[in-house]
Formats: sequence, structure tokens, C-alpha cells
Amino acid sequence: QVQLQQWGAGLLKPSETLSLTCAVYGGSFSSYYWTWIRQAPGKGLEWIGEINHSGSTNYNPSLKSRVTISLDTSRNQFSLKLNSVTDADTAVYYCARGQCVVEPSRWFHPWGQGTLVTVSS
Amino acid sequence: QSVLTQPPSVSAAPGQKVTISCSGSSSNIENNYVSWYQQLPGTAPKLLIYDNNKRPLGIPDRFSGSKSGTSATLGITGLQTGDEADYYCGTWDNSLSAGVFGGGTKLTVL
Repeated sequence: QVQLQQWGAGLLKPSETLSLTCAVYGGSFSSYYWTWIRQAPGKGLEWIGEINHSGSTNYNPSLKSRVTISLDTSRNQFSLKLNSVTDADTAVYYCARGQCVVEPSRWFHPWGQGTLVTVSS
Repeated sequence: QSVLTQPPSVSAAPGQKVTISCSGSSSNIENNYVSWYQQLPGTAPKLLIYDNNKRPLGIPDRFSGSKSGTSATLGITGLQTGDEADYYCGTWDNSLSAGVFGGGTKLTVL
């Protein structure tokens, strides 16, 4: 049973860098897309980006200039960095394992518990 | 503004059936598989349906998925009060080269 556990700073000031890490327990790192998804208060889900076991990344075009997703296979962890945050980046951030049988379709399971990140001066 | 379009809310009585639609385009739903997620209040989303109509282990057969053209549908039969949640569809968008979701549908079991 794969479990994802995430952590990171929950309160940031505008222009700072958001940094979150997600640890993968009980499963292989290979053959999956390690994904970050966020949800602004009262809003829907927004796909941020993904990284596969080889380190290849895809990012949401609307966030691409500010996002970096990285992988630490030795620790079974992956991380999200989002720089120059503003109020609009306030959201619950989720990590998730993306699975794919037929490219490029993905589904996401399981999910981390979520981390509320608030950007406020 | 979400790439995929869902109704904001649906409602039905306990024991009844409800369907939730998800509308997209040729760059997403028509040419890729769709997944569906249930989000209970205050919790992370949970996978209900993947590859248009497959259920993960542990998901009851009251939940079903289908796809036709640029639209997909989630069906829930034998509604229970515990099904009250937000439901999201998701897929890949070939033009954006990114994952996309619907805006979510709030299900109320009256």
C-alpha cells in the first residue's frame, strides 16, 4: 500500500519561494509520474506539474516560469518549488502519484494529505 | 476558468441515481482517458474511476464512468448521504501538454 506524506512551510510572504516535499512509502519510484496539484480556497483542482523516475518534467504552462519539480530517488522523495509567490498562490497543495497505461493519459492515486500554503504580507 | 466544464451542483434523493457531466474538446477528452475523483469535505481527493470506466479496488460498483466524443459522465446509483462530496473529472490536454481538471460538481443527497 503506497502512501504519500508531504510537508513544507505553510506561511509565506509575497515574493518568497514555496517549497514542499513529498515522501513515498511502500512502493517503487519507477514507472510513475510524481505530481503536484493545488486547490485554491473554495476552488477546483489545478495541475501544477510532474516528474517521472528519469527526471523528465512537464509543467502547467501558466506556472512554468516559476515552477521546479525535482526528484531524490535515494530518499524516495520529490519536491516542489514555486518562486515569486503572490496571494494568488494561496492554496492547499497536494502531491500525488500519476499512473499511465496509454500515454499521455494519467490518473492520480494515491494523494498526499495536503498542505495549506498561505501567502500574506 | 477550468478547461473541462462540469455543472456546479447536482442533487438527488437517497437511493436514487445521479449523473455528472464533464465536457471538453478534441484536445483533451476526445483523445485521452478520463478519470474521476471524489473529495469529501476537508479531505484529499480520492480516485473513483480511471481510464474512462475502470474502478480501482475498493470502489463499489454503484460508481460508473463513460465517455462519448468530447464528453464524459460519472454515474452514481443507490445514493447515500455519505456520497455528498465534490466530484472532479480529469484528463490530459494535448495542446497544453498538461493535466487538466473540471471545476468540480457538488453533490447534495437530499
